[in-house]
Amino acid sequence: SYELSQALSVSVALGQTARITCGGNNIGSKNVHWYQQKPGQAPVLVIYRDSNRPSGIPERFSGSNSGNTATLTISRAQAGDEADYYCQVWDSSAVFGGGTKLTVL
Amino acid sequence: EVQLVESGGGLVQPGGSLRLSCAASGFTFSSYAMSWVRQAPGKGLEWVSDISGSGGSTYYADSVKGRFTISRDNSKNTVYVQMNSLRVEDTAVYYCAKSGSGSSYSEWFDPWGQGTLVTVSS
Repeated sequence: SYELSQALSVSVALGQTARITCGGNNIGSKNVHWYQQKPGQAPVLVIYRDSNRPSGIPERFSGSNSGNTATLTISRAQAGDEADYYCQVWDSSAVFGGGTKLTVL
Repeated sequence: EVQLVESGGGLVQPGGSLRLSCAASGFTFSSYAMSWVRQAPGKGLEWVSDISGSGGSTYYADSVKGRFTISRDNSKNTVYVQMNSLRVEDTAVYYCAKSGSGSSYSEWFDPWGQGTLVTVSS
């Protein structure tokens, strides 16, 4: 079965750029989706099909996907961006990465 | 506004059964696949099951295949998951989610309900 790998944690200084990666075999050939989950809340879609932002998601959130790595980029990081972030693909079933905890310092 | 409201969670003994429901509103329910995704305490997200808009196609994670059954009633805008032979490791918050695309499966999930907690313990 297909596997996605994410770093357990990423830290970013307030106002700087955070990059959260998602690794998978030839993931560039798949559509990657990203979710933000804050403590005690349900996940929220922030990027779909690699680089598309749903309505209501700030332009500071962007995504890319190539080769064996997909990346969620958060520009001008804010304290409110602190959350767990999950990548996801569909490969005969939905597959989630293990999640990355983003800390804004 | 799309709303998804789960219900039916609770405490059940190992080997027991439970049925979760998810009432949907704010969109043409029969046009979208629906999903269940769970999250064990302190753990990540795990996809459980999908059902197409018509209900004619269903998909299951290997971990629940043969024990869980997803279904939907388009006249009631509700999706269900019947969970049998429950195990301690099925303990989780169960989220209902709407497909973000028009596919027969949920290529991505948007939005999600608030979740319902299922605890399997003796």
